[in-house]
Amino acid sequence: DAGVTQSPTHLIKTRGQQVTLRCSPKSGHDTVSWYQQALGQGPQFIFQYYEEEERQRGNFPDRFSGHQFPNYSSELNVNALLLGDSALYLCASSPQGNYGYTFGSGTRLTVV
Amino acid sequence: QQQVKQSPQSLIVQKGGISIINCAYENTAFDYFPWYQQFPGKGPALLIAIRPDVSEKKEGRFTISFNKSAKQFSLHIMDSQPGDSATYFCAAPLSGSARQLTFGSGTQLTVLP
Repeated sequence: DAGVTQSPTHLIKTRGQQVTLRCSPKSGHDTVSWYQQALGQGPQFIFQYYEEEERQRGNFPDRFSGHQFPNYSSELNVNALLLGDSALYLCASSPQGNYGYTFGSGTRLTVV
Repeated sequence: QQQVKQSPQSLIVQKGGISIINCAYENTAFDYFPWYQQFPGKGPALLIAIRPDVSEKKEGRFTISFNKSAKQFSLHIMDSQPGDSATYFCAAPLSGSARQLTFGSGTQLTVLP
C-alpha cells in the first residue's frame, strides 16, 4: 500500500518564476493538506483540499494556490517566487474529518 | 493563530536513558494532541497521540503525559536508542472545521551509543 507520493523530490527555481508541486494521497484518503517547513522549523499549514475545493487556508499569500483532482491527487502552485519561499513542501493526506495525517517525504524547493 | 510552544530545542541523551520533551498550548478547546517524529529527508510520521480525557497514554517505549490544568503535555521516551535520534514535533488542532494541525518548533534528539 503506497503512502503519500510527492514529486519532484528536489527543485531549483529562480526568483520570480512559478512552480508546481504534485501529490498523490495515500489509498483510501480523500483529503489533502499542504504544509511549508522552513529549515529548523515545524511545518506551517498552507491549505487543505477536499471534494476539489479549498476547505481552509493558513496565513499564506494568494501567490500560493492549489487544486485537487477527481482522483484526490493535488497540486500546489506558487507564483512570483521569493527567496523566502525556499523550504520543504509537505503534502499530507487523511480521511475526511480525521486527524490521522500521513505525510509524504516532501519536495525541497530552492529559490535562487 | 494558536501556537504550541515546545522545549527544549535540542536534547542529548545516553543510550538507555529517558528523553523528555515538553509542549505547552493555549486553547482549552483543543481535543487532540499528537507527537510526530521526523528523520532527515523524510516527512513527519505520527508517533503517538492523546485525547484530553486521559492523563497518560503509553505505546511501547513512548508515553504521553497530559496535564489539562497546566495546558501542557510531554513525550517520554524510555530506554532511548540511537535509532530514536530524530526531530520531534508536538502539535495541536487549529481552529476551523478542517481539523488542521499547528506544530511546535521541534526538538532535535540525539541518543549517544
